[in-house]
Amino acid sequence: EAGVVQSPRYKIIEKKQPVAFWCNPISGHNTLYWYRQNLGQGPELLIRYENEEAVDDSQLPKDRFSAERLKGVDSTLKIQPAELGDSAVYLCASSPRSLQDTEAFFGQGTRLTVV
Amino acid sequence: GESVGLHLPTLSVQEGDNSIINCAYSNSASDYFIWYKQESGKGPQFIIDIRSNMDKRQGQRVTVLLNKTVKHLSLQIAATQPGDSAVYFCAEKGPANQFYFGTGTSLTVIP
Repeated sequence: EAGVVQSPRYKIIEKKQPVAFWCNPISGHNTLYWYRQNLGQGPELLIRYENEEAVDDSQLPKDRFSAERLKGVDSTLKIQPAELGDSAVYLCASSPRSLQDTEAFFGQGTRLTVV
Repeated sequence: GESVGLHLPTLSVQEGDNSIINCAYSNSASDYFIWYKQESGKGPQFIIDIRSNMDKRQGQRVTVLLNKTVKHLSLQIAATQPGDSAVYFCAEKGPANQFYFGTGTSLTVIP
């Protein structure tokens, strides 16, 4: 069974440019998370979806970040415009259902470098 | 937000020795905890979990201990191998069903 798939693996953009990340969660997983991981730190939650509904986006910088999960499967995370401080690894994770005590399965992440 | 912290940012052990990685959490209402391993260039990988109604759980070469009185979690790795070198995170599931991660401990196994 395929795990969580993210693309691209790496992205280098100039500041003020837009960028988008794509995530395909594990089949059947209702819950999808986007995390941001800065160098030397643990992942920090940006947004959590239950099916197609964003149930927790309190940590998402809404002035420049947006996300969607159409049809409750794949998800995209967008930054527009990107700033130097957005350089980080963006991780997508999924789990069967967040109300259950089960781990989140992570993709390999997209490493974003803003220059 | 919640605070999940680690006592030691780095740990070096000799191959074959046992490793102990510690973690402190702040929310006494948290009832589910996970240890993740993250190798360079990869996403976090599940190692072992524990629910708050337990104080110990064992896996293959790994044991997690939970002390709810002092809000402390530890991961023990037996007979540490070079392949165990990675960053280890504890994660706490908060009341809003989201995971909070600590900073991580970098484990280096010396051959």
